[in-house]
Amino acid sequence: ETAVFQTPNYHVTQVGNEVSFNCKQTLGHDTMYWYKQDSKKLLKIMFSYNNKQLIVNETVPRRFSPQSSDKAHLNLRIKSVEPEDSAVYLCASSLDWGVQDTQYFGPGTRLLVL
Amino acid sequence: GDSVTQTEGLVTLTEGLPVMLNCTYQTIYSNPFLFWYVHYLNESPRLLLKSSTDNKRTEHQGFHATLHKSSSSFHLQKSSAQLSDSALYYCALSDRGSALGRLHFGAGTQLIVIP
Repeated sequence: ETAVFQTPNYHVTQVGNEVSFNCKQTLGHDTMYWYKQDSKKLLKIMFSYNNKQLIVNETVPRRFSPQSSDKAHLNLRIKSVEPEDSAVYLCASSLDWGVQDTQYFGPGTRLLVL
Repeated sequence: GDSVTQTEGLVTLTEGLPVMLNCTYQTIYSNPFLFWYVHYLNESPRLLLKSSTDNKRTEHQGFHATLHKSSSSFHLQKSSAQLSDSALYYCALSDRGSALGRLHFGAGTQLIVIP
C-alpha cells in the first residue's frame, strides 16, 4: 500500500516530557512536511524537507525539531512539551517542490499535554 | 503576504440543497494554484480539486470550482448536498512566493449536512 503513515495515533503526556512522532511515506515523494492542526482546526506549516534541505517556519518554537534519515521518513521531536502543544500533528508529502504538486497527508498524531 | 479567506466556521445544510463554500485569496503572483482539500472525520485530509487556469471549471466527485483571477476567488460548489459530504473543507493557495511549504491554507469550513 502506498500512502503516508504516522505513529502513534494518539499520545498523552505531561508538561516537560519529550515526545517523538514518526512519519513514513511509501509514495516515492521527494518532499515532506509537518503541519499542526490546532483546536480551531487551523492548519499551520511547521517544517518542509526537500532534497536534504530543511526549511523551518520561524514561528515554530525551538523545542520542536524534525529528524530525517532519508527522503521517505520525517520524524518530529518535541523536547519539552507545553500545554499549547496539544494538537493534531499532520505529516504530508508531495512529489516535488512544484507549485502544482498535490500534498498527501497522513492520518495525524493527536497529542494531549496534561 | 499570501493569504486565503474562507466562509467562516460552520455551514449547516439540509440534504439536497446546493453547497457553496467561499474562498478568496491574496497573492502578488500572477499564476497561483488553488486547491480544495477535504478532511473527513477519522481520515487523512485529501485533495478534492485544484486549478490554475483562469475561468475554467474544475470538477471532481460532484464538486466543482472555477478560478476567477479577476475577483481572486475559487468557490467550491455542488448542486445537491449529500449526508456524506459532511466534512472540514480547506481552501489553499500555492505560488512561487512561498519557500516554506508552498501551501497557504484558509481557516477551514466545517460543513454539516442534515437529513
